[in-house]
Amino acid sequence: RKEVEQDPGPFNVPEGATVAFNCTYSNSASQSFFWYRQDCRKEPKLLMSVYSSGNEDGRFTAQLNRASQYISLLIRDSKLSDSATYLCVVYSSNTGKLIFGQGTTLQVKP
Amino acid sequence: DGGITQSPKYLFRKEGQNVTLSCEQNLNHDAMYWYRQDPGQGLRLIYYSQIVNDFQKGDIAEGYSVSREKKESFPLTVTSAQKNPTAFYLCASNIAGTPSGAQYFGPGTRLTVL
Repeated sequence: RKEVEQDPGPFNVPEGATVAFNCTYSNSASQSFFWYRQDCRKEPKLLMSVYSSGNEDGRFTAQLNRASQYISLLIRDSKLSDSATYLCVVYSSNTGKLIFGQGTTLQVKP
Repeated sequence: DGGITQSPKYLFRKEGQNVTLSCEQNLNHDAMYWYRQDPGQGLRLIYYSQIVNDFQKGDIAEGYSVSREKKESFPLTVTSAQKNPTAFYLCASNIAGTPSGAQYFGPGTRLTVL
């Protein structure tokens, strides 16, 4: 079983749609969680950290469920420019490393 | 502008050759990392360094070597012992010891073995 698992998609949605991605992690000692965005053939860029109480940044909302060991990303009012791969990333203090999911690809259509 | 630079952007290598990928940062970050990304896969850690003159193996260090002689620089050598080196190589950095762990990436080097 992979340490961080994501549905690779692709998720094809029309502009203006709301879309949600989930990610599960296996290490219960994981303590920090992030969503990164990666455009085609580019480097990953930090989109947002995920806090225990959930957090929002404009059209993006991240949630953490420690009991079920998953995190989610909700994108409201999708834009064409949101088309990218979204990487779920988990940091565990017992390993001291970031573990990356394989990413979920989003395609927003006009 | 502060940031991480990697060079070259594209690199072609013949089998049996060693190549060195450059990574430089002016963010004053203590920690630097090298990852490899293959199509449809997550990033995998090759080597990392928390401080100058010290580095540790990641999950897939075989066939690679690094040095950390300066805080700003963390070059990666892909040796001929690496059996499948064609990949997208990403360098990252952050402030060492941050429990959050968020890292910032350079633009990457695409290595192709001919």
